[in-house]
Amino acid sequence: AQSVSQHNHHVILSEAASLELGCNYSYGGTVNLFWYVQYPGQHLQLLLKYFSGDPLVKGIKGFEAEFIKSKFSFNLRKPSVQWSDTAEYFCAVNAYSGAGSYQLTFGKGTKLSVIP
Amino acid sequence: EAGVAQSPRYKIIEKRQSVAFWCNPISGHATLYWYQQILGQGPKLLIQFQNNGVVDDSQLPKDRFSAERLKGVDSTLKIQPAKLEDSAVYLCASSRPQGLAGVGSYNEQFFGPGTRLTVL
Repeated sequence: AQSVSQHNHHVILSEAASLELGCNYSYGGTVNLFWYVQYPGQHLQLLLKYFSGDPLVKGIKGFEAEFIKSKFSFNLRKPSVQWSDTAEYFCAVNAYSGAGSYQLTFGKGTKLSVIP
Repeated sequence: EAGVAQSPRYKIIEKRQSVAFWCNPISGHATLYWYQQILGQGPKLLIQFQNNGVVDDSQLPKDRFSAERLKGVDSTLKIQPAKLEDSAVYLCASSRPQGLAGVGSYNEQFFGPGTRLTVL
């Protein structure tokens, strides 16, 4: 079964600092990769996704992520964070579950706090 | 377009009691999911429906959890009897029909606000 690990539990940054959140997954086959975000008091929503092609994908609000297949990684980046980026970020992998379906597996999440 | 609706938003019960959660997916979404999110962890899939049929319930603790989607629209998730370790947020999500032809057929899941369950 696939698994996802996120390196940081809680990251605290000042506004305008650069952000990189690590994500590694374990699965030997073809995967789709996602970053979801949950702003305080809001629903979980999709930030960006990788299916195939260019390994550098761009999402909403200036976020991007790079898929490095050899490292099984899909790190999230943003050059300059804003206070409004304060949220919890989840990396997720969609892969064959072995139970007859494709299953989305989430990491434990990284809480980002941006200080004005 | 209305999002995924869930009720109740909060529920507090004592252990060994029963509880039920309701989900109404986005109109036209044939696939519906229930996830359990324990504090400090990411969501974990419990069960996936396509229309009113179960696609995957491999991670559903079937001795106490049950779910149904009788008419292929709304769904209920039930816990009977509840244990302390069932305290979590229960998320419902929906998507357009998920193909089984491979990861390329994946459709985005849209999540509801969740139901926060506390078992005392």
